[in-house]
Amino acid sequence: EAQVTQNPRYLITVTGKKLTVTCSQNMNHEYMSWYRQDPGLGLRQIYYSMNVEVTDKGDVPEGYKVSRKEKRNFPLILESPSPNQTSLYFCASSPGTPNEQYFGPGTRLTVT
Amino acid sequence: AQSVTQLDSQVPVFEEAPVELRCNYSSSVSVYLFWYVQYPNQGLQLLLKYLSGSTLVESINGFEAEFNKSQTSFHLRKPSVHISDTAEYFCAVTNAGGTSYGKLTFGQGTILTVHP
Repeated sequence: EAQVTQNPRYLITVTGKKLTVTCSQNMNHEYMSWYRQDPGLGLRQIYYSMNVEVTDKGDVPEGYKVSRKEKRNFPLILESPSPNQTSLYFCASSPGTPNEQYFGPGTRLTVT
Repeated sequence: AQSVTQLDSQVPVFEEAPVELRCNYSSSVSVYLFWYVQYPNQGLQLLLKYLSGSTLVESINGFEAEFNKSQTSFHLRKPSVHISDTAEYFCAVTNAGGTSYGKLTFGQGTILTVHP
């Protein structure tokens, strides 16, 4: 089944403890992206990647890191999480912009 | 920089009534436009998109949107809604080239609630 998977789906952590949210797609898509969703703010793009080893900042990259060492994986790294990073995170992939993006199920992160 | 404004945060409507969800965008270059739908506790799914050509685009479930370049709008319409259309709808824009190609900007979302 063609899909985007994210792990973990739910995570509660404490301020400053480094964490990684994994994202993997099995559709051989060139493009991958991370978003955060907050009530009243819609989705905001954190980082995107047009291809392997190519990443660019979205609208809200501060406090996040990404890497794209292989086509199928695009992990999101929070080196020192803070409470304002509590949010619902979505990973998405696409054959290439401006095609349809396929979204993962989401990761709900709480930072206390 | 590109931006998107969805003019209504919530739209309540009765079943079988028509609905319009409004979206305005801003960009200094040509754009591609999208509408995504998010059903409760799910990820987003593409509803329809405008890339080029006909300014009126349609989805398989009866929604349509019209690209209006002069008014920088991409409003979503459906002539008769169903209970199952209850969801949150997001308008999104990406530049059709140049810098920031690949960057996708979403609006704040419009919650459509269809009442029986």
